[in-house]
Amino acid sequence: EIVMTQSPGTLSVSPGERVTLSCRASQSVSSNLAWYQQKPGQAPRLLIHGASPRATGIPARFSGSGSGTEFTLTISSLQSEDFAVYFCQQYNNWPITFGQGTRLEIK
Amino acid sequence: QVQLVESGGGLVKPGGSLRLSCAASGFTFSVYSMSWIRQAPGKGLEWVSYIGRSPSIIYYADSVKGRFTISRDNAKNVLYLQMNSLRAEDTAVYYCARDYVSRVIDPWGQGTLVTVSS
Repeated sequence: EIVMTQSPGTLSVSPGERVTLSCRASQSVSSNLAWYQQKPGQAPRLLIHGASPRATGIPARFSGSGSGTEFTLTISSLQSEDFAVYFCQQYNNWPITFGQGTRLEIK
Repeated sequence: QVQLVESGGGLVKPGGSLRLSCAASGFTFSVYSMSWIRQAPGKGLEWVSYIGRSPSIIYYADSVKGRFTISRDNAKNVLYLQMNSLRAEDTAVYYCARDYVSRVIDPWGQGTLVTVSS
């Protein structure tokens, strides 16, 4: 099973700041990496798939990069609605696995 | 619009059974692969099971293999998860989710809570 490790666990940031979240895979997943956003009491929402293309309707301030084992999600200028938990997911191998999440909180 | 509505969750004793349902609408259900994913309270996401467009393509997480059964009724646009021999560690919100593309998951239903406790 591929283990996905996200860092940091929690990030305290101010609105308007640029933030970068990391996700590392225990073995190569090529570009088969997705990012999801989850707000309290809600289901996750797809942001990024294929490591970098945004899903339909996702604002341009969200961008993804990386391949192999190292991936990043960057939010260029944090908006109030972006404070949430972010999960990465590899879909290169069965079983599909998720990272443990990075929580963005307001500083 | 695309909608996935789960039902069937609740409180069950260890060793008991539950069947979850997910009613799909707003898209051609039969041409999409589907998954069940769970989230224990305050925890991360765990993929549970996947069924392809063809019901012959099925995968399970090791943690549920032999206890859970995924199935679909393309005529009724419903996805199921039969859960037997439930354990306390199966306590979670269970999400029904559609393939966006090739095991990328979107959208997700609102989830149904399963609590396994005596």
